[in-house]
Amino acid sequence: QQQVKQSPQSLIVQKGGISIINCAYENTAFDYFPWYQQFPGKGPALLIAIRPDVSEKKEGRFTISFNKSAKQFSLHIMDSQPGDSATYFCAASRWGVGTSGSRLTFGEGTQLTVNP
Amino acid sequence: GAGVSQSPSNKVTEKGKDVELRCDPISGHTALYWYRQSLGQGLEFLIYFQGNSAPDKSGLPSDRFSAERTGGSVSTLTIQRTQQEDSAVYLCASTAGTGTQETQYFGPGTRLLVL
Repeated sequence: QQQVKQSPQSLIVQKGGISIINCAYENTAFDYFPWYQQFPGKGPALLIAIRPDVSEKKEGRFTISFNKSAKQFSLHIMDSQPGDSATYFCAASRWGVGTSGSRLTFGEGTQLTVNP
Repeated sequence: GAGVSQSPSNKVTEKGKDVELRCDPISGHTALYWYRQSLGQGLEFLIYFQGNSAPDKSGLPSDRFSAERTGGSVSTLTIQRTQQEDSAVYLCASTAGTGTQETQYFGPGTRLLVL
């Protein structure tokens, strides 16, 4: 069962533009929603994360918007730069229920290309 | 070390052979996770360790897959009788295990190719 669905699969934007990636989840017990950035040949690295008690979180050019009632969240990259070209994964987890620790359920990923 | 390390970085093997993948978590991190990333796919959870115990093995795809952790540090993922569908990047992540929601720090992965 796919619990986190991510779109689009790929995205091309011009330098200076806004990149928007969307995710939808099914499990209402999820309480932590991180976004990871992955460059080729590297492991994913945490970019920004949000909890469901807030609707938006901003860190520099990166913003997460969260809609609890719709079970959706999105990543906005403002003033996109060529160095932002990477694969982005949304994820979700719920802490400490049973014995699963904070295992992450990932979306399928979005390959972002920012053209100069 | 400063980050999570994994070895080997690349592994090519023949169908039917056994392989061992190693993960060295960040020093002091008690929680360790293994994930698998197939080509063009998201990351799929395999197993979770807290200390040397594995309370959640629910993501292991078959009994050919096993993992252990010793000394609360290094973990080894073993795949027996490898199949071509096992070809993927195997990623390891660790957290401090403080009992709250924490950032997972990933290693660079082991790229496994089964011929």
